[in-house]
Amino acid sequence: KAGVTQTPRYLIKTRGQQVTLSCSPISGHRSVSWYQQTPGQGLQFLFEYFSETQRNKGNFPGRFSGRQFSNSRSEMNVSTLELGDSALYLCASSFTGGKNEKLFFGSGTQLSVL
Amino acid sequence: AQSVTQLGSHVSVSEGALVLLRCNYSSSVPPYLFWYVQYPNQGLQLLLKYTSAATLVKGINGFEAEFKKSETSFHLTKPSAHMSDAAEYFCAVSDSLDSGYALNFGKGTSLLVTP
Repeated sequence: KAGVTQTPRYLIKTRGQQVTLSCSPISGHRSVSWYQQTPGQGLQFLFEYFSETQRNKGNFPGRFSGRQFSNSRSEMNVSTLELGDSALYLCASSFTGGKNEKLFFGSGTQLSVL
Repeated sequence: AQSVTQLGSHVSVSEGALVLLRCNYSSSVPPYLFWYVQYPNQGLQLLLKYTSAATLVKGINGFEAEFKKSETSFHLTKPSAHMSDAAEYFCAVSDSLDSGYALNFGKGTSLLVTP
């Protein structure tokens, strides 16, 4: 059974650009969550999608957005990139996103903003 | 909001020694607690989770954690460290949101295992 796949693995962008990251969840998983990981702030919740709807959102500006497709694949977009957006972006999937569910994480996309 | 605090950003142990990674939680309701491990250049992998069924939880790779309500703690232990245990460890609590849940992670503890 394939795990959570994130593409691309590495990205280098400049300030002001926008970027799109992709996540393919484990087959059968309908909940996809995104987390930002930085050395200073640690792991922070961005948002969660379930059945093509954003169900929850963390405390991030509107420049961060996402969507989920009918096959549960998800994308997140960051517009007008800032230096502080440099981070490892992790995608995680689970069956329904329940309180006690195990999250399966991808290896992440390392974004560097120059 | 529910949160966790990990004491010690870096822990160093000798191979074969006891591993103890500390985590305290803050929650007004019975918490759902997790320990995840992150190896270099990889995503996070679940080690174990507490769901109120038992206070002592056994996980993968010989790790276990004990839920102590009186101390609001969920420390992770392993009797004998192995070189392959060197990684970043994260304690997390499932936090209720408007329409579901999200994990609130601690800052992480980097475990170094020396020969």
